[in-house]
Amino acid sequence: GESVGLHLPTLSVQEGDNSIINCAYSNSASDYFIWYKQESGKGPQFIIDIRSNMDKRQGQRVTVLLNKTVKHLSLQIAATQPGDSAVYFCAENNDNTDKLIFGTGTRLQVFP
Amino acid sequence: DAGVIQSPRHEVTEMGQEVTLRCKPISGHNSLFWYRQTMMRGLELLIYFNNNVPIDDSGMPEDRFSAKMPNASFSTLKIQPSEPRDSAVYFCASRTRLAGVSEQFFGPGTRLTVL
Repeated sequence: GESVGLHLPTLSVQEGDNSIINCAYSNSASDYFIWYKQESGKGPQFIIDIRSNMDKRQGQRVTVLLNKTVKHLSLQIAATQPGDSAVYFCAENNDNTDKLIFGTGTRLQVFP
Repeated sequence: DAGVIQSPRHEVTEMGQEVTLRCKPISGHNSLFWYRQTMMRGLELLIYFNNNVPIDDSGMPEDRFSAKMPNASFSTLKIQPSEPRDSAVYFCASRTRLAGVSEQFFGPGTRLTVL
């Protein structure tokens, strides 16, 4: 199961640097957001989530920032490693529905 | 836990043939989702079930597509007849719906090629 391919925006970073992946969401009523990582041949894998009553949430090497004013979400990866190379998707949801709406994705390439 | 299980992993068929994709959700999860992923349209929700009941099938492309969930541990997505434009990776995901939305766990996907 390969992810969406040729036309994805791509972020190239050097190993050890920090990465910032951005996402603009569409629905101002969305109140729950998730970042997924999809490696080649695999399904999307949960990384971190955040609710709209928060601006920032930290995990292990990852931080999600939420700016509701401009409907913007970002994923920061500290000390990027080759294993972080993948396609990253943001997804949004509101409590009125069970659906997740996925963004188009960003390909992260880590080079030595 | 084995995670979400999908079969087959790869399917190649000829136009007009019936295709059945299978999904076993994570034990104890009561919501199941079918997605399609293509280069052009990204990841799209086709249909989802809560407690084995179809809740929203508005993403199903057309009548050629149908999905069932006869019990809590099994779901199928059927395409009949298949067409080349159905070629895509189909993902199944499951989750436990508690007080609100929680993370969905995705299966490895089925890559479908219709010739």
